[in-house]
Amino acid sequence: LAKTTQPISMDSYEGQEVNITCSHNNIATNDYITWYQQFPSQGPRFIIQGYKTKVTNEVASLFIPADRKSSTLSLPRVSLSDTAVYYCLVGDTGYGGSQGNLIFGKGTKLSVKP
Amino acid sequence: NAGVTQTPKFQVLKTGQSMTLQCAQDMNHNSMYWYRQDPGMGLRLIYYSASEGTTDKGEVPNGYNVSRLNKREFSLRLESAAPSQTSVYFCASTVRNEQFFGPGTRLTVL
Repeated sequence: LAKTTQPISMDSYEGQEVNITCSHNNIATNDYITWYQQFPSQGPRFIIQGYKTKVTNEVASLFIPADRKSSTLSLPRVSLSDTAVYYCLVGDTGYGGSQGNLIFGKGTKLSVKP
Repeated sequence: NAGVTQTPKFQVLKTGQSMTLQCAQDMNHNSMYWYRQDPGMGLRLIYYSASEGTTDKGEVPNGYNVSRLNKREFSLRLESAAPSQTSVYFCASTVRNEQFFGPGTRLTVL
Protein backbone atom coordinates (compact mmCIF):
# COMPACT_ATOMS: atom_id res chain seq x y z
CA LEU A 1 0.00 0.00 0.00
CA ALA A 2 1.43 3.37 -1.01
CA LYS A 3 1.10 5.63 1.99
CA THR A 4 1.20 9.39 1.58
CA THR A 5 2.53 12.19 3.77
CA GLN A 6 1.28 15.77 3.51
CA PRO A 7 1.60 18.87 5.68
CA ILE A 8 -1.26 19.09 8.18
CA SER A 9 -1.99 22.73 7.38
CA MET A 10 -0.93 25.69 5.25
CA ASP A 11 -1.79 29.37 5.25
CA SER A 12 -1.86 31.68 2.26
CA TYR A 13 -3.21 35.02 1.09
CA GLU A 14 -5.54 35.78 -1.74
CA GLY A 15 -3.81 36.04 -5.09
CA GLN A 16 -0.80 33.93 -4.12
CA GLU A 17 0.23 30.66 -5.70
CA VAL A 18 0.00 27.72 -3.32
CA ASN A 19 2.06 24.55 -3.63
CA ILE A 20 1.17 21.49 -1.56
CA THR A 21 3.66 18.65 -1.64
CA CYS A 22 2.84 15.02 -1.00
CA SER A 23 5.40 12.28 -0.33
CA HIS A 24 4.73 8.73 -1.51
CA ASN A 25 8.00 6.83 -1.28
CA ASN A 26 6.45 3.41 -1.86
CA ILE A 27 4.53 4.26 -5.00
CA ALA A 28 4.12 1.26 -7.30
CA THR A 29 4.59 1.15 -11.04
CA ASN A 30 0.84 0.99 -11.73
CA ASP A 31 -0.13 3.71 -9.26
CA TYR A 32 -1.60 7.05 -10.28
CA ILE A 33 -1.56 10.19 -8.11
CA THR A 34 -4.87 11.91 -7.53
CA TRP A 35 -5.80 15.04 -5.57
CA TYR A 36 -9.17 15.81 -4.03
CA GLN A 37 -10.62 18.94 -2.42
CA GLN A 38 -13.12 18.86 0.43
CA PHE A 39 -15.19 21.73 1.81
CA PRO A 40 -16.83 21.45 5.25
CA SER A 41 -19.99 19.32 5.25
CA GLN A 42 -19.41 18.13 1.68
CA GLY A 43 -17.92 15.07 0.06
CA PRO A 44 -14.48 15.33 -1.55
CA ARG A 45 -14.28 16.56 -5.12
CA PHE A 46 -11.77 15.40 -7.74
CA ILE A 47 -9.21 18.07 -8.71
CA ILE A 48 -6.51 16.48 -10.83
CA GLN A 49 -4.75 13.21 -11.58
CA GLY A 50 -1.38 12.32 -13.06
CA TYR A 51 1.13 9.56 -13.59
CA LYS A 52 4.36 11.41 -14.38
CA THR A 53 5.77 14.84 -15.38
CA LYS A 54 3.20 17.62 -15.42
CA VAL A 55 -0.55 17.76 -15.75
CA THR A 56 -2.58 20.96 -15.96
CA ASN A 57 -6.30 21.62 -16.03
CA GLU A 58 -8.48 24.67 -15.52
CA VAL A 59 -8.19 24.41 -11.75
CA ALA A 60 -4.66 23.29 -10.89
CA SER A 61 -1.34 21.84 -12.00
CA LEU A 62 0.27 18.65 -10.78
CA PHE A 63 4.04 18.24 -10.88
CA ILE A 64 5.55 14.76 -10.58
CA PRO A 65 9.34 14.26 -10.64
CA ALA A 66 10.94 11.41 -12.53
CA ASP A 67 11.28 9.15 -9.47
CA ARG A 68 7.54 9.69 -8.65
CA LYS A 69 8.26 9.56 -4.92
CA SER A 70 6.53 12.89 -4.41
CA SER A 71 4.11 15.19 -6.15
CA THR A 72 3.15 18.85 -5.87
CA LEU A 73 -0.30 20.30 -6.32
CA SER A 74 -0.10 23.90 -7.49
CA LEU A 75 -3.08 26.25 -7.14
CA PRO A 76 -2.54 29.52 -9.02
CA ARG A 77 -3.77 32.78 -7.52
CA VAL A 78 -5.89 31.34 -4.71
CA SER A 79 -9.04 33.01 -3.46
CA LEU A 80 -10.95 32.75 -0.19
CA SER A 81 -13.12 30.06 -1.77
CA ASP A 82 -10.08 27.78 -2.08
CA THR A 83 -10.04 27.36 1.70
CA ALA A 84 -10.54 23.60 2.07
CA VAL A 85 -8.82 20.33 2.88
CA TYR A 86 -6.74 18.83 0.08
CA TYR A 87 -6.07 15.09 -0.09
CA CYS A 88 -3.34 13.32 -2.03
CA LEU A 89 -4.10 9.72 -2.97
CA VAL A 90 -1.95 7.11 -4.62
CA GLY A 91 -3.40 3.95 -6.08
CA ASP A 92 -3.80 1.61 -8.97
CA THR A 93 -6.75 2.65 -11.10
CA GLY A 94 -7.24 -0.76 -12.59
CA TYR A 95 -9.57 -1.23 -15.51
CA GLY A 96 -13.07 -0.57 -14.24
CA GLY A 97 -11.85 1.64 -11.41
CA SER A 98 -11.53 -0.81 -8.55
CA GLN A 99 -9.62 1.07 -5.88
CA GLY A 100 -10.00 -0.78 -2.64
CA ASN A 101 -6.48 0.16 -1.69
CA LEU A 102 -6.95 3.93 -1.76
CA ILE A 103 -6.20 5.68 1.53
CA PHE A 104 -7.30 9.27 2.09
CA GLY A 105 -5.25 10.24 5.13
CA LYS A 106 -5.88 13.49 7.02
CA GLY A 107 -5.10 15.81 4.14
CA THR A 108 -3.76 19.38 4.17
CA LYS A 109 -6.00 22.10 5.55
CA LEU A 110 -5.44 25.20 3.42
CA SER A 111 -6.55 28.53 4.87
CA VAL A 112 -6.65 31.47 2.49
CA LYS A 113 -6.73 34.89 4.13
CA PRO A 114 -7.76 38.22 2.60
CA ASN B 1 -28.26 13.43 -13.95
CA ALA B 2 -28.23 13.52 -10.13
CA GLY B 3 -24.80 11.89 -9.69
CA VAL B 4 -24.54 10.14 -6.32
CA THR B 5 -27.46 10.46 -3.92
CA GLN B 6 -27.65 9.39 -0.29
CA THR B 7 -30.52 9.01 2.13
CA PRO B 8 -31.12 10.03 4.81
CA LYS B 9 -29.14 13.25 5.24
CA PHE B 10 -29.34 13.12 9.03
CA GLN B 11 -30.16 10.34 11.49
CA VAL B 12 -30.11 9.91 15.25
CA LEU B 13 -30.12 6.39 16.66
CA LYS B 14 -30.06 4.89 20.12
CA THR B 15 -27.40 2.33 20.98
CA GLY B 16 -28.45 -1.09 19.70
CA GLN B 17 -30.82 0.16 17.01
CA SER B 18 -30.31 -0.84 13.40
CA MET B 19 -30.58 1.14 10.20
CA THR B 20 -29.65 1.09 6.54
CA LEU B 21 -28.00 3.95 4.70
CA GLN B 22 -28.97 4.10 1.06
CA CYS B 23 -26.79 5.15 -1.87
CA ALA B 24 -27.58 5.33 -5.56
CA GLN B 25 -25.68 6.54 -8.63
CA ASP B 26 -26.97 7.21 -12.11
CA MET B 27 -23.61 7.35 -13.91
CA ASN B 28 -23.45 3.64 -14.77
CA HIS B 29 -20.26 3.19 -12.75
CA ASN B 30 -19.12 -0.29 -11.80
CA SER B 31 -17.34 0.56 -8.54
CA MET B 32 -18.98 1.96 -5.42
CA TYR B 33 -17.61 2.75 -1.97
CA TRP B 34 -18.67 3.53 1.58
CA TYR B 35 -16.46 5.78 3.75
CA ARG B 36 -16.78 7.25 7.19
CA GLN B 37 -15.29 10.54 8.29
CA ASP B 38 -14.84 11.44 11.93
CA PRO B 39 -14.33 15.07 13.00
CA GLY B 40 -10.97 16.43 11.88
CA MET B 41 -10.04 13.17 10.22
CA GLY B 42 -9.68 11.92 6.69
CA LEU B 43 -12.01 9.41 5.11
CA ARG B 44 -11.70 5.76 6.03
CA LEU B 45 -12.93 3.06 3.70
CA ILE B 46 -15.57 0.74 5.20
CA TYR B 47 -16.54 -1.47 2.26
CA TYR B 48 -16.36 -1.30 -1.48
CA SER B 49 -17.90 -3.05 -4.44
CA ALA B 50 -15.84 -3.40 -7.60
CA SER B 51 -18.86 -4.54 -9.61
CA GLU B 52 -22.42 -5.69 -9.23
CA GLY B 53 -22.54 -8.82 -7.10
CA THR B 54 -19.17 -8.33 -5.39
CA THR B 55 -18.23 -6.63 -2.13
CA ASP B 56 -14.97 -6.39 -0.20
CA LYS B 57 -13.89 -5.12 3.18
CA GLY B 58 -12.00 -1.89 3.52
CA GLU B 59 -10.03 -0.48 6.40
CA VAL B 60 -12.81 -0.38 9.05
CA PRO B 61 -15.55 -2.96 8.24
CA ASN B 62 -16.42 -4.15 11.76
CA GLY B 63 -20.00 -3.40 12.75
CA TYR B 64 -21.19 -2.89 9.17
CA ASN B 65 -22.67 -4.93 6.37
CA VAL B 66 -23.25 -3.94 2.76
CA SER B 67 -25.42 -4.99 -0.14
CA ARG B 68 -24.82 -4.22 -3.79
CA LEU B 69 -28.43 -4.51 -4.83
CA ASN B 70 -27.81 -3.76 -8.49
CA LYS B 71 -25.43 -1.61 -10.49
CA ARG B 72 -27.04 1.61 -9.24
CA GLU B 73 -27.46 0.92 -5.54
CA PHE B 74 -25.08 0.14 -2.70
CA SER B 75 -26.46 0.11 0.84
CA LEU B 76 -24.69 0.15 4.21
CA ARG B 77 -26.32 -1.48 7.23
CA LEU B 78 -25.60 -1.03 10.90
CA GLU B 79 -27.08 -4.04 12.69
CA SER B 80 -26.55 -2.81 16.25
CA ALA B 81 -25.44 0.81 16.35
CA ALA B 82 -22.78 1.91 18.84
CA PRO B 83 -21.70 5.44 19.87
CA SER B 84 -18.34 4.79 18.15
CA GLN B 85 -20.24 4.73 14.85
CA THR B 86 -21.21 8.38 15.20
CA SER B 87 -19.74 9.87 12.05
CA VAL B 88 -20.45 11.29 8.62
CA TYR B 89 -20.87 8.56 6.02
CA PHE B 90 -20.02 9.17 2.38
CA CYS B 91 -20.86 6.99 -0.56
CA ALA B 92 -18.87 7.26 -3.78
CA SER B 93 -18.82 5.76 -7.23
CA THR B 94 -15.80 5.58 -9.45
CA VAL B 95 -14.79 5.59 -13.06
CA ARG B 96 -11.07 4.98 -13.59
CA ASN B 97 -9.41 6.93 -10.76
CA GLU B 98 -12.00 9.66 -10.31
CA GLN B 99 -14.39 9.23 -7.42
CA PHE B 100 -17.73 11.01 -7.29
CA PHE B 101 -19.05 11.52 -3.78
CA GLY B 102 -22.53 11.88 -2.41
CA PRO B 103 -23.55 14.65 0.00
CA GLY B 104 -23.09 12.44 3.07
CA THR B 105 -25.24 11.13 5.91
CA ARG B 106 -24.61 12.60 9.34
CA LEU B 107 -25.27 9.84 11.89
CA THR B 108 -25.37 10.28 15.65
CA VAL B 109 -25.63 7.27 17.96
CA LEU B 110 -26.65 8.09 21.52
